[in-house]
Amino acid sequence: AQSVTQLDSQVPVFEEAPVELRCNYSSSVSVYLFWYVQYPNQGLQLLLKYLSGSTLVKGINGFEAEFNKSQTSFHLRKPSVHISDTAEYFCAVSDLRDDKIIFGKGTRLHILP
Amino acid sequence: DTGVSQDPRHKITKRGQNVTFRCDPISEHNRLYWYRQTLGQGPEFLTYFQNEAQLEKSRLLSDRFSAERPKGSFSTLEIQRTEQGDSAMYLCASSSRTVNTEAFFGQGTRLTVV
Repeated sequence: AQSVTQLDSQVPVFEEAPVELRCNYSSSVSVYLFWYVQYPNQGLQLLLKYLSGSTLVKGINGFEAEFNKSQTSFHLRKPSVHISDTAEYFCAVSDLRDDKIIFGKGTRLHILP
Repeated sequence: DTGVSQDPRHKITKRGQNVTFRCDPISEHNRLYWYRQTLGQGPEFLTYFQNEAQLEKSRLLSDRFSAERPKGSFSTLEIQRTEQGDSAMYLCASSSRTVNTEAFFGQGTRLTVV
């Protein structure tokens, strides 16, 4: 069965600084990978997804992620964060065999002024 | 299409009572998922459907939980004999296996068991 590990429960970062949120997955077959964002008191929305092709995926709000098959990672990056990026970020994996989508525990991004 | 909708948005119930939640997915989506989310945690997989067929139910889920999707459209999640530990946000999501692949989420139903 597939699983997702988000290594950092919280990441504090200064405004306008770069950020990387780490995600590692485990699966015995090929996968789709996703990053979702949950702003305070709001529902989950898709930030970006990797299905196939280029390993560098660009999403909304200036975020991007890189799929690394050998390291089974899908880390999320942004070159310069804004106070509005304060949110919880969830990495998710979908096993191509059964399409079940499994989420990590999330990383809270805390932007410091 | 207005997206995934869930009803009710909030539910307060006494311990031991039964509750039922409804989810209406995006109309052309054949996959429907139920998740549970507690404070500071990621969505925990409960069960999912392909059309009306329930494909998998989490082993962590007790027999008090049951879900249906009788005509392959809306779905219901029932919790019998609720316990305080059932208090959580219950999320529904839908996807199209052949088109988008990602799950689109509803706003959730917040359950409080008192």
